[in-house]
Amino acid sequence: NAGVTQTPKFRVLKTGQSMTLLCAQDMNHEYMYWYRQDPGMGLRLIHYSVGEGTTAKGEVPDGYNVSRLKKQNFLLGLESAAPSQTSVYFCASAPPETRVSYEQYFGPGTRLTVT
Amino acid sequence: GQQLNQSPQSMFIQEGEDVSMNCTSSSIFNTWLWYKQDPGEGPVLLIALYKAGELTSNGRLTAQFGITRKDSFLNISASIPSDVGIYFCAGLAARGETSGSRLTFGEGTQLTVNP
Repeated sequence: NAGVTQTPKFRVLKTGQSMTLLCAQDMNHEYMYWYRQDPGMGLRLIHYSVGEGTTAKGEVPDGYNVSRLKKQNFLLGLESAAPSQTSVYFCASAPPETRVSYEQYFGPGTRLTVT
Repeated sequence: GQQLNQSPQSMFIQEGEDVSMNCTSSSIFNTWLWYKQDPGEGPVLLIALYKAGELTSNGRLTAQFGITRKDSFLNISASIPSDVGIYFCAGLAARGETSGSRLTFGEGTQLTVNP
């Protein structure tokens, strides 16, 4: 049981390049999330998904797209990277809403630098 | 949008001391979560609180869900060097597919423990 995994762990992009970050979870969670973490700003939600085939915008969605074709995977895409997207990106997942408790579990992060 | 004010922003303490940090909000939350983030890692859930007034412990950590539902507190007793890291509070206002059960995060408290 690996929990939440993210690939790649590190990446350097040039301005204008594109890339996709992959998040995978093996806990059968319905909900998945993409956050970015910048110094002194905590975690900010980019996009989220409440189930396979669904996506929705979070707090800072501009410049990013997502897809949830399979329940266990949540992809984050940058079509044309900008220096302002230099950040650490975290994926998280949460169990089905029918459970009494609610907990989000995080992956180890992807450190992205855009030059 | 909702905001969480987490304080203090940073703490420098001696090993063996007790630590207290808190989060406050102008909005009501139905769930409070406390996470710890080690350098280069993703946040790890420490404690989850689901009822106003609830007091929950996890080893040397104790957290409380404020009666007003607008605040939460985390205490660490007898700190040790491995307590070093960033501690985040997170609040959940609404659960379910409509809201995506999104969390609002505080900006974090950076804890340094001197041996």
